[in-house]
Amino acid sequence: DTGVSQNPRHKITKRGQNVTFRCDPISEHNRLYWYRQTLGQGPEFLTYFQNEAQLEKSRLLSDRFSAERPKGSFSTLEIQRTEQGDSAMYLCASSAYHSPNTEAFFGQGTRLTVV
Amino acid sequence: GQQVMQIPQYQHVQEGEDFTTYCNSSTTLSNIQWYKQRPGGHPVFLIQLVKSGEVKKQKRLTFQFGEAKKNSSLHITATQTTDVGTYFCADAHGSSNTGKLIFGQGTTLQVKP
Repeated sequence: DTGVSQNPRHKITKRGQNVTFRCDPISEHNRLYWYRQTLGQGPEFLTYFQNEAQLEKSRLLSDRFSAERPKGSFSTLEIQRTEQGDSAMYLCASSAYHSPNTEAFFGQGTRLTVV
Repeated sequence: GQQVMQIPQYQHVQEGEDFTTYCNSSTTLSNIQWYKQRPGGHPVFLIQLVKSGEVKKQKRLTFQFGEAKKNSSLHITATQTTDVGTYFCADAHGSSNTGKLIFGQGTTLQVKP
């Protein structure tokens, strides 16, 4: 399978715990994005990497959220001290830098439930 | 900040009827991309529109970009049950050179066989 892979697919955690999600993009894609999607809404941009550099971070993203992309390959998204409001689907997407606008390939997402 | 709005939120049609979803922005759109998300699935790219007034067709799907680049539409002719899902438009931020997407809320299509 050469698509975008996300792990785990589902995560249930207790409020206050830390969680980490992983995204493996399509191998030749140097752009990687994290989005969050809640029920009945479109995906909401969280952050963007070009290679290993995190170039943009949404102002909506609190300090409890951090993302990394070491060596410009896979990426991790960590949420510290989770809150019930963090419950959502976390989607990773990747694209190739051929032009400013190319299609994004999304992974299956990680569904987070904070109880 | 920029808002991308879609209407309607839901649409139920009989199989064979047509369907249209409309996308509007509070600001001029950079480029428009359309995605389809099946129930329980992830967004899948359908098409990108770049030029003012552009019209593109994919079989029964017709995509339009407004002359002022502030709106877009997706029209499906003679819907089939395989068209079920949520259709999202997204402003693709080429001007900021990041490719990040600002999505609308989506239109969920249900097709009755």
